[in-house]
Amino acid sequence: KQEVTQIPAALSVPEGENLVLNCSFTDSAIYNLQWFRQDPGKGLTSLLLIQSSQREQTSGRLNASLDKSSGRSTLYIAASQPGDSATYLCAPETGGSYIPTFGRGTSLIVHP
Amino acid sequence: DTEVTQTPKHLVMGMTNKKSLKCEQHMGHRAMYWYKQKAKKPPELMFVYSYEKLSINESVPSRFSPECPNSSLLNLHLHALQPEDSALYLCASSQAWAAQETQYFGPGTRLLVL
Repeated sequence: KQEVTQIPAALSVPEGENLVLNCSFTDSAIYNLQWFRQDPGKGLTSLLLIQSSQREQTSGRLNASLDKSSGRSTLYIAASQPGDSATYLCAPETGGSYIPTFGRGTSLIVHP
Repeated sequence: DTEVTQTPKHLVMGMTNKKSLKCEQHMGHRAMYWYKQKAKKPPELMFVYSYEKLSINESVPSRFSPECPNSSLLNLHLHALQPEDSALYLCASSQAWAAQETQYFGPGTRLLVL
């Protein structure tokens, strides 16, 4: 069974810092890995999807990398802003199930 | 239109009530999903519908009854729920139930069972 761990569980930083959010997973036989953002009490917004054949994906200030063989993904957030405050969830999709397995998330607060 | 809508936003029900949650998408997606999320926990998959047919039921109690009347709509019928069923219920859709398909999530229905 796929297990997903996200470190750190919580992060509080001043505005402008570059951030690194880590995700590790136990089953490296994944089809893809998605990073989601969730605002308190709200649904999930897909940020980036990295296919198993890719090493990284970029969208604006966000960059996600994937090292499938070591079971790790990293989300980089450049020049953080208060609007980035949310919980960030990592979700690898294990081969055969087509269903993402979610980590518990990193709760991020960016203060002005 | 890249939106998944869910109604109602909030729902309070007693343990003897019958209620339904509704999810709608007009992106032409053929896979739809129900997730349950407890506070400070990740979403847990409940059901998957592919081409309006139930493809996965993750051992969900029968007091939760999904229905997919057409390719745009997904309902979750609730009956005789327990207080521990209080949670955020999320609906999602994707182009297909297949690898490498992004799931689009709705805003959720916050359910409180008294």
